[in-house]
Amino acid sequence: EDKVVQSPLSLVVHEGDTVTLNCSYEVTNFRSLLWYKQEKKAPTFLFMLTSSGIEKKSGRLSSILDKKELFSILNITATQTGDSAIYLCAGYNDKIIFGKGTRLHILP
Amino acid sequence: GAGVSQSPRYKVTKRGQDVALRCDPISGHVSLYWYRQALGQGPEFLTYFNYEAQQDKSGLPNDRFSAERPEGSISTLTIQRTEQRDSAMYRCAVQWGNTEAFFGQGTRLTVV
Repeated sequence: EDKVVQSPLSLVVHEGDTVTLNCSYEVTNFRSLLWYKQEKKAPTFLFMLTSSGIEKKSGRLSSILDKKELFSILNITATQTGDSAIYLCAGYNDKIIFGKGTRLHILP
Repeated sequence: GAGVSQSPRYKVTKRGQDVALRCDPISGHVSLYWYRQALGQGPEFLTYFNYEAQQDKSGLPNDRFSAERPEGSISTLTIQRTEQRDSAMYRCAVQWGNTEAFFGQGTRLTVV
């Protein structure tokens, strides 16, 4: 059975800290890995990763995929209170399977 | 979410009633997913379609749940004989091939 496991499940840090969120996957016929941010509403797309070792970057957020070790990380540098959210990782083969998410809380 | 409209936004129903939740992709996305999401948790896969064909319904909890997408566009998720444990946010997402999926705003279902 395909599965995606995220860690930690929750994380509390102070504003300005750097955080690393982890995602491991077991997805047959893997095609890509997706990261989303969810605040109070619908999940919003952050990154899609298909190739190992190529970092994707958007402002203070970056992500990388390791297809050999079957994991991905999402880094957020210089965190701000607006980064507080649930971060979702998903594996895609012919369907999209999500992990349980990491709930990140940034203290001012 | 971009390109996906769900209705109703909120639905309160009495236990034992049937409900139908609608997902309307504004443009013709190929793949359409249904998820159920508990508060603070990741979306739980229910079923998905490519065009009108239901490709996988392994996530539907039991036979009270069904979904259709007869013309490859609008989809309906139906829950028969609702139970309190069915209360959740139900989200639809659409996707073009190997690209990101866009989520609708969801339907918050409450069974009383």
